[in-house]
Amino acid sequence: AQSVTQLDSQVPVFEEAPVELRCNYSSSVSVYLFWYVQYPNQGLQLLLKYLSGSTLVKGINGFEAEFNKSQTSFHLRKPSVHISDTAEYFCAVSDLGKTGANNLFFGTGTRLTVIP
Amino acid sequence: DAGVIQSPRHEVTEMGQEVTLRCKPISGHNSLFWYRQTMMRGLELLIYFNNNVPIDDSGMPEDRFSAKMPNASFSTLKIQPSEPRDSAVYFCASRRENDSGNTIYFGEGSWLTVV
Repeated sequence: AQSVTQLDSQVPVFEEAPVELRCNYSSSVSVYLFWYVQYPNQGLQLLLKYLSGSTLVKGINGFEAEFNKSQTSFHLRKPSVHISDTAEYFCAVSDLGKTGANNLFFGTGTRLTVIP
Repeated sequence: DAGVIQSPRHEVTEMGQEVTLRCKPISGHNSLFWYRQTMMRGLELLIYFNNNVPIDDSGMPEDRFSAKMPNASFSTLKIQPSEPRDSAVYFCASRRENDSGNTIYFGEGSWLTVV
């Protein structure tokens, strides 16, 4: 069975500083990996996803993530954050190519707070 | 294109009352999910439909919760009777099965408060 661990529940960072939000997963099969962002009082939006190919994935709003199979990690990074990046970020994993009983397994989320 | 549409956006109800949450998935999507989000438990999958058929309802907390999908463009999640511990944000999400990457698209959520 899959599981997702987001090691940091809260990450405060100053504006224009770099940030890394950590995500580790466990799965007995190959997976798809996702990062979703939830702004205050809104639903979840897809930030980026890894399906196959290049291990460095670029998403919206200047975010990127790197898939590391040996470390079973999919950390999210941004070189310079803005106030508007303040939100909850969720890492998620899904079985590769599995249909029917397919599901997304979510981590517990990391609250990113950008300090002016 | 319209996204996943949920109603009501906000509801406050008294304990013991029936609550019905509604969802219209994205047109052409054939999988639909109901999630619940709370501070204590994070995001939990309640139930998942594929082609209008419930595939996995193991996350439904108890018999007070029920979900239906009478057609491809509409689903309901019902709580009867409601209890204060049901207070949460309920998200509906949809996906086109066999879509590359299994991307799930979320609605804006229904914010339920049971007093």
